[in-house]
Amino acid sequence: QKEVEQNSGPLSVPEGAIASLNCTYSDRGSQSFFWYRQYSGKSPELIMSIYSNGDKEDGRFTAQLNKASQYVSLLIRDSQPSDSATYLCAVRGYGQNFVFGPGTRLSVLP
Amino acid sequence: DVKVTQSSRYLVKRTGEKVFLECVQDMDHENMFWYRQDPGLGLRLIYFSYDVKMKEKGDIPEGYSVSREKKERFSLILESASTNQTSMYLCASSRGLAVSYEQYFGPGTRLTVT
Repeated sequence: QKEVEQNSGPLSVPEGAIASLNCTYSDRGSQSFFWYRQYSGKSPELIMSIYSNGDKEDGRFTAQLNKASQYVSLLIRDSQPSDSATYLCAVRGYGQNFVFGPGTRLSVLP
Repeated sequence: DVKVTQSSRYLVKRTGEKVFLECVQDMDHENMFWYRQDPGLGLRLIYFSYDVKMKEKGDIPEGYSVSREKKERFSLILESASTNQTSMYLCASSRGLAVSYEQYFGPGTRLTVT
């Protein structure tokens, strides 16, 4: 059974701080990794994808991947109250479906 | 931009009714998916389709069926709705099986079965 694990939270950070969200996965064959943001009552929205070890930056967001440790993270710099949401980690192997983690609830306090 | 639409945002049905949830994508994507999302249980895959007229069971297909007669449309059918099918239903699409292809979600349908 392929599994993706995340801390459910809530993770609370003050406005302007760095929020760090973590995800581990069990299938070593996983090749692509995605972060989705989901506001309460809304559907998941893709914010980042990463395929290679290392860091990938997009604005205030940085995704980090370490395949040897089977670990992927999302850093949100200068966190804003509008970043308060649940963040879903998803992984995919070749020819396989997406496997989603349970999500981490982030709360950014003004 | 990828656009995935679902026929209803909110739906209330009675136990035993047959329920149709429609999903349409406008980006010529090969793959389409139906999930349900419940508090504490996360996203669970009900059915998916890799191509027209093709369907595969996901993790929780019991009580559901699907139809994909056209590439852009994927329907989820609850043959006889039950209260334990009250949930948020999310449709998604993806260009294909390549690992780099992202999955895009529709706005969701919140179904209540009374």
